[in-house]
Amino acid sequence: TQLLEQSPQFLSIQEGENLTVYCNSSSVFSSLQWYRQEPGEGPVLLVTVVTGGEVKKLKRLTFQFGDARKDSSLHITAAQPGDTGLYLCAGEREWGAQKLVFGQGTRLTINP
Amino acid sequence: KAGVTQTPRYLIKTRGQQVTLSCSPISGHRSVSWYQQTPGQGLQFLFEYFSETQRNKGNFPGRFSGRQFSNSRSEMNVSTLELGDSALYLCASSSTGLNRYEQYFGPGTRLTVT
Repeated sequence: TQLLEQSPQFLSIQEGENLTVYCNSSSVFSSLQWYRQEPGEGPVLLVTVVTGGEVKKLKRLTFQFGDARKDSSLHITAAQPGDTGLYLCAGEREWGAQKLVFGQGTRLTINP
Repeated sequence: KAGVTQTPRYLIKTRGQQVTLSCSPISGHRSVSWYQQTPGQGLQFLFEYFSETQRNKGNFPGRFSGRQFSNSRSEMNVSTLELGDSALYLCASSSTGLNRYEQYFGPGTRLTVT
């Protein structure tokens, strides 16, 4: 059982469309991080959200942390082919053997 | 500031052999974590080292081991390789400063076991 569930697992859309990726859990996290990974590379940190209800924007990407700090969403406006990649959410825990737990990822493809 | 480096980038081994992977963290980062990434299982945590001590460990068999040196560089060893060990092995370093526990990943080592 995944501690963090991402949906959808795969998404293929046309350039210019909007999309939202979800990251859900029944656990509370002290922070929630989003990473993007491109083929042949390691994940790259995009953003960290810390406060319940927090919203952060990174150009066309909007990240939101749920009020109860159990879930998060990533919204992309007017998607571009350069947004293609594997998006991973990761929750930071205060306890447990693994301080940072990852979702299984959302593989996003933006078609020109 | 240079990023996380991993060597080698690609490796092909046969079943039963052992392998050692190397990771150099970002300068000043004292925490190094190792992950295994496969299409079916996603990103799985192996272990974390901090100041030459294993601080946390994931749910992997004892064939997977690691160590960290005084300069924070880390190595990961897998003994008696199995076909299922084929994966991308990622190393990540983390600062223990004011920032949250954010991971800075290297490009990974692609291990193929035949």
